[in-house]
Amino acid sequence: DAGVIQSPRHEVTEMGQEVTLRCKPISGHNSLFWYRQTMMRGLELLIYFNNNVPIDDSGMPEDRFSAKMPNASFSTLKIQPSEPRDSAVYFCASSSGQGRYTGELFFGEGSRLTVL
Amino acid sequence: GNSVTQMEGPVTLSEEAFLTINCTYTATGYPSLFWYVQYPGEGLQLLLKATKADDKGSNKGFEATYRKETTSFHLEKGSVQVSDSAVYFCALSETGSQGNLIFGKGTKLSVKP
Repeated sequence: DAGVIQSPRHEVTEMGQEVTLRCKPISGHNSLFWYRQTMMRGLELLIYFNNNVPIDDSGMPEDRFSAKMPNASFSTLKIQPSEPRDSAVYFCASSSGQGRYTGELFFGEGSRLTVL
Repeated sequence: GNSVTQMEGPVTLSEEAFLTINCTYTATGYPSLFWYVQYPGEGLQLLLKATKADDKGSNKGFEATYRKETTSFHLEKGSVQVSDSAVYFCALSETGSQGNLIFGKGTKLSVKP
């Protein structure tokens, strides 16, 4: 079975440009998560969706960041305009099930973003 | 709020040494606890988990016991290998959450031959 698929794997862009990161969760999973990883701050949850509905976006840094999940098999994270401090590895993860035992998160390989 | 604290790294060990990576947590209710591992250039993957007090999670020679009295979930391995070199993350899942995890900052382990 295919795992979580993210694209692009690497993105280098200039400050002010729009960046769009894409994620395809594992088929049948009903929760999707966007995380950001930096050396300074570690792993931060940006937003997560359940059944395509955003549940908690309190981790989204500011209005420059937006995320969508138009259907169960696709999500995007957009940064507009990008800034050098947005440089990080962005991970998408998916999971199935709800309730007290939430099960395992399956992570993609990440999108490494460098903003010059 | 809920949080996870794990020991600062990096940790450098010789092959076949004993490993302990400490993890403590703060949470309301009864969280589930996890250890994830991240190999270089890859995403995180689940190493082991425990869902209630006194449960022991184990996988690939690694173990961790859910200790409610000390709010801890320390990771141990009796004999590490070079291939265990990675970053290890402790995490908790909040009671009643819809799947999101709270991660510690990660501990980098380097094992030398």
